Amino acid sequence: DSGVTQTPKHLITATGQRVTLRCSPRSGDLSVYWYQQSLDQGLQFLIQYYNGEERAKGNILERFSAQQFPDLHSELNLSSLELGDSALYFCASSAGTGQPQHFGDGTRLSIL
Amino acid sequence: GIQVEQSPPDLILQEGANSTLRCNFSDSVNNLQWFHQNPWGQLINLFYIPSGTKQNGRLSATTVATERYSLLYISSSQTTDSGVYFCAPNNAGNMLTFGGGTRLMVKP
Repeated sequence: DSGVTQTPKHLITATGQRVTLRCSPRSGDLSVYWYQQSLDQGLQFLIQYYNGEERAKGNILERFSAQQFPDLHSELNLSSLELGDSALYFCASSAGTGQPQHFGDGTRLSIL
Repeated sequence: GIQVEQSPPDLILQEGANSTLRCNFSDSVNNLQWFHQNPWGQLINLFYIPSGTKQNGRLSATTVATERYSLLYISSSQTTDSGVYFCAPNNAGNMLTFGGGTRLMVKP
């Protein structure tokens, strides 16, 4: 058990819809990271938050957004969903920049 | 950005065999992690190893940062070792860049 909690585990929705993925980091970790794992792109970094502020951005689409709340949990919002957004979305947390990242079990998103 | 290549892409072993997985990266790194993705999709931390050698049971890892590679050794493999092994260096302070992975199947 990594200590990182992601909900829901599975999500099935239709094209054009909007979903929210939730992540609770390990106790004491201030950094939260989001990654996407798809068949064609592999595992890629989306975005990082540190103590409520956006710290780094990767290959995140404009249709996607994230935030980190005062209690340090984070949400990833995906809108105007397309078939290609079907993927496994991971959240990771660490104590700080450059520290080991610990991954949650992921949310498997299926777009029909 | 940094390029990460893992080899071999696929590996089939008989239970009890040993193996070495390699990870080459194109730029200097601050740190590097190895992960095992099990058949249920979970990403399990194996090592945080910016340089040097670490051991954990039947697994060990070595990173030679100056030569831009890392190795993961699996000894006396077991069927539960099956899955995909990822190397992920961190050279920008914040993001891990994952290689394509090595898919390992251990046969009983």
